[in-house]
Amino acid sequence: SAVISQKPSRDICQRGTSLTIQCQVDSQVTMMFWYRQQPGQSLTLIATANQGSEATYESGFVIDKFPISRPNLTFSTLTVSNMSPEDSSIYLCSVGKSETGYGYTFGSGTRLTVV
Amino acid sequence: GENVEQHPSTLSVQEGDSAVIKCTYSDSASNYFPWYKQELGKRPQLIIDIRSNVGEKKDQRIAVTLNKTAKHFSLHITETQPEDSAVYFCAAMDNNDMRFGAGTRLTVKP
Repeated sequence: SAVISQKPSRDICQRGTSLTIQCQVDSQVTMMFWYRQQPGQSLTLIATANQGSEATYESGFVIDKFPISRPNLTFSTLTVSNMSPEDSSIYLCSVGKSETGYGYTFGSGTRLTVV
Repeated sequence: GENVEQHPSTLSVQEGDSAVIKCTYSDSASNYFPWYKQELGKRPQLIIDIRSNVGEKKDQRIAVTLNKTAKHFSLHITETQPEDSAVYFCAAMDNNDMRFGAGTRLTVKP
């Protein structure tokens, strides 16, 4: 399976500011995915990040709030913009085992607290 | 889109007993069904998966069954141990679109 390095592991941010989360993969992957996991909840897909094209966002998530970059096949960033306390959550990136996406591997997560 | 329902939300068993977690999905086009284990404060880890052309898959104490007609799949853990205590998530995927169930908190009492 791919090895994913995600950072920061945690951060406490002031409301109204932005935080950029980075994920680095040890192999080239076509698709990377960003999830949000609120405390005690399941994983909700935010968007799919494809290299060379704009990210595809799920219902309820918009590019202005969660801009994503995918400059190459091993790296992606997710920015949480203009944060409010409701954005406090764990954010995880993930990649598939192969180009088909089977066997998702997750990054270690970023625990974000907005105060 | 796909909707995955998972039951029960919590499950408590005695060490050595079996545990069964069930999921149903709505999209008949889904063709890949993984199960993840998430320990407190850690990332979800893939523990077993099954594709739509297979009815059952086993890996030591863990097995997954799939009924495509009924659109449900189940995780079976035999001879449970305290270290099996965690939250388990099922998921269903079609075309790289992965949807997760709500999770089951499994507690194995020694």
